[in-house]
Amino acid sequence: GQQLNQSPQSMFIQEGEDVSMNCTSSSIFNTWLWYKQDPGEGPVLLIALYKAGELTSNGRLTAQFGITRKDSFLNISASIPSDVGIYFCAGPRGNFGNEKLTFGTGTRLTIIP
Amino acid sequence: GAGVSQSPRYKVAKRGQDVALRCDPISGHVSLFWYQQALGQGPEFLTYFQNEAQLDKSGLPSDRFFAERPEGSVSTLKIQRTQQEDSAVYLCASSREQGSEQYFGPGTRLTVT
Repeated sequence: GQQLNQSPQSMFIQEGEDVSMNCTSSSIFNTWLWYKQDPGEGPVLLIALYKAGELTSNGRLTAQFGITRKDSFLNISASIPSDVGIYFCAGPRGNFGNEKLTFGTGTRLTIIP
Repeated sequence: GAGVSQSPRYKVAKRGQDVALRCDPISGHVSLFWYQQALGQGPEFLTYFQNEAQLDKSGLPSDRFFAERPEGSVSTLKIQRTQQEDSAVYLCASSREQGSEQYFGPGTRLTVT
């Protein structure tokens, strides 16, 4: 099935570093979502973006909705050990009320001790 | 608990066996979604319920997959005559109303041997 393309696929950083990742699509989305998934758990919503150009923060996380509506970016500042996990972008598709999500390929974040 | 729960958490089936995966959504949530997550991939949409009505089953891979939500709360995903390619984590999500945030359960990891 169709998936959004995320880069990088994986990141190895040291605690305290800033992190940037992005997500691109060949088609337009009207909403962009960023999720984090820990091992053995389901994805958890971090940030939701609803307007092209929108910049939204949630603590140390900042996400932007690209002007073209075909991309989005997620930044994490001053990374800490609990930031380890897989980050997915996602966008809803389908008719009104059926917000089935299309997910990205994921970015795996690892913190090197 | 207050979250989405799924059972069993792990299931091993021999090829050709039938399996049934259960999802208990958050109480009062109208919408319920099933997703399939292959190893190293993002979740992919399978099917969607609004109350007891299955409004979209476009993501079900074959007619061996069947989902139901007869009373508009608990849902069961059934896979008949399992094949090795069915091995994946099956995630359930629920949302309070149409278009609102989806809360994911921990998933059921299905391994077909």
